[in-house]
Amino acid sequence: DAGVIQSPRHEVTEMGQEVTLRCKPISGHNSLFWYRQTMMRGLELLIYFNNNVPIDDSGMPEDRFSAKMPNASFSTLKIQPSEPRDSAVYFCASQPGTSEQETQYFGPGTRLLVL
Amino acid sequence: GDSVTQMEGPVTLSEEAFLTINCTYTATGYPSLFWYVQYPGEGLQLLLKATKADDKGSNKGFEATYRKETTSFHLEKGSVQVSDSAVYFCALSGLNTGGFKTIFGAGTRLFVKA
Repeated sequence: DAGVIQSPRHEVTEMGQEVTLRCKPISGHNSLFWYRQTMMRGLELLIYFNNNVPIDDSGMPEDRFSAKMPNASFSTLKIQPSEPRDSAVYFCASQPGTSEQETQYFGPGTRLLVL
Repeated sequence: GDSVTQMEGPVTLSEEAFLTINCTYTATGYPSLFWYVQYPGEGLQLLLKATKADDKGSNKGFEATYRKETTSFHLEKGSVQVSDSAVYFCALSGLNTGGFKTIFGAGTRLFVKA
């Protein structure tokens, strides 16, 4: 299995630009998560989907952030407009089902730098 | 609300030393508890988990026991290796309105010297 795939691995952009992060979950997994990791705030859950439907987006920082999951094999996290404080590592994770007992499988992350 | 507190790092040990990383939690209901490990430049990966009280999770020489009475899930290893150098995250996952919520601790960085 290829594992969770994220692209790009690194992104450098200027303040005000739109940024789109992409994720391909493990085939057959029904839940998908987006996390943000920073030194100051640690690992934060932004949003998660069950069967392509957003279940909890209470962690999305503000309206500049949006996430979609148009099908079971693809999700995007978009920031528009981007700001320097959005600089972080963004992880996508998936899990087989919808139970809190299951393991989450993380992708390698996208390191975002907003200048 | 639910929360996870783990000991601050970094923790520096010599090879073959005993490791303990403390983790305590606050939660309503009966969450599942996890330890994840993150190596440099990589995403998190599961190290071990326990889904009910008194369960012991174990993997690669690491162990942790779900203690409901002390709300703890401390990570231990009897003899660490240089290759164990990484950041370790304690996490809980509990039921929430419409689904569940996963909360991670701040992470504890471990350095093991040869």
